[in-house]
Amino acid sequence: ELKVEQNPLFLSMQEGKNYTIYCNYSTTSDRLYWYRQDPGKSLESLFVLLSNGAVKQEGRLMASLDTKARLSTLHITAAVHDLSATYFCAVAPIIVSKLTFGKGITLSVRP
Amino acid sequence: EAGVAQSPRYKIIEKRQSVAFWCNPISGHATLYWYQQILGQGPKLLIQFQNNGVVDDSQLPKDRFSAERLKGVDSTLKIQPAKLEDSAVYLCASSFRREPFYGYTFGSGTRLTVV
Repeated sequence: ELKVEQNPLFLSMQEGKNYTIYCNYSTTSDRLYWYRQDPGKSLESLFVLLSNGAVKQEGRLMASLDTKARLSTLHITAAVHDLSATYFCAVAPIIVSKLTFGKGITLSVRP
Repeated sequence: EAGVAQSPRYKIIEKRQSVAFWCNPISGHATLYWYQQILGQGPKLLIQFQNNGVVDDSQLPKDRFSAERLKGVDSTLKIQPAKLEDSAVYLCASSFRREPFYGYTFGSGTRLTVV
């Protein structure tokens, strides 16, 4: 059974500082997705990582994928309040299309 | 393009009652998913359709949950009878292909409260 672990589950960030959050998964996969969810809202797609070594950046967020280590990182540069949300990673094993989600990491940016 | 439409947005029912949720995917998306998101957890797949056929329903509690996708477009998820532990947000998602290399689009969800 595929397991997806995210850590930490909650992160209090100080405005302007850099942080990294992690997503580990247990089964071979070449597709990893990052989603953002604001309270009471649906899931917003952030990144789709499709190969080993893939790196994608959008604004203050940069995601990377290491399929050999079964690890994805989401790096936050100079955190701002607008980044406060819950971030989920999700993995789809090779040949299988269904997503398995982690429990999510709730980020809170304080002044 | 229009997004994934879901209704209702909220529903409160008593335990043992029945409830139905509706989803209209993005036009042309052949694959449709229903996910259950319990508060504080990540979404869990309940059922996946490819056109109007079921691809995966291994995590669907079939004694009380049912889903259909007639004509390969809209889909309905039903719970009968509901239990307290069914309180969750039910998310519908769709993708253009069965191998969604470009991701899935989620609807805004239906928040179900069972009292």
